[in-house]
Amino acid sequence: NAGVTQTPKFRVLKTGQSMTLLCAQDMNHEYMYWYRQDPGMGLRLIHYSVGEGTTAKGEVPDGYNVSRLKKQNFLLGLESAAPSQTSVYFCASSYSRKDGSSYEQYFGPGTRLTVT
Amino acid sequence: AQSVSQHNHHVILSEAASLELGCNYSYGGTVNLFWYVQYPGQHLQLLLKYFSGDPLVKGIKGFEAEFIKSKFSFNLRKPSVQWSDTAEYFCAVNSGYSTLTFGKGTMLLVSP
Repeated sequence: NAGVTQTPKFRVLKTGQSMTLLCAQDMNHEYMYWYRQDPGMGLRLIHYSVGEGTTAKGEVPDGYNVSRLKKQNFLLGLESAAPSQTSVYFCASSYSRKDGSSYEQYFGPGTRLTVT
Repeated sequence: AQSVSQHNHHVILSEAASLELGCNYSYGGTVNLFWYVQYPGQHLQLLLKYFSGDPLVKGIKGFEAEFIKSKFSFNLRKPSVQWSDTAEYFCAVNSGYSTLTFGKGTMLLVSP
């Protein structure tokens, strides 16, 4: 099993450019998540999905869009990149419990994005 | 809203010292609790988890954590740290929703 994979690993964008980050998991997890990690801020949830075709906003959704057309993939898009979006982005996935809560999350290796 | 507090932002220890990292959460109902570790340049990995049962949970690499419901705490411990334990440690809480709430992390530096 590859677990959770992310592409690309590194990317440099100019302000105003767009890009899509791809997350894929091969564990048949229902739930998937996108986080950003900035020094001293911990992990902040951008968007998440509880199933194919569904998405929801997290703590810091502005400037990002997501799609989950297939259960194993979760895409994060930046339509018009800004320097404030310079960060490390992590994707995660988990099984769902019967009560709707999540089991432990498994994380991908991260994407380091720099916006100049 | 649920919140998680990790009291120490930075901890510096010598090898063989004992470790205790604090984690407190704000939710009063049933919770699931997690500790993750992030080694330099890597992604988060699960150290241990608590869902129910024995409140003293043992994880990988000699780590353990104790859930004290009355104190809303889930502190991480290790009796003797090694240089290889240098990393950032995150506490996380699930309060019945599909998402986790993470603390801001504690950076542990172990000097040889």
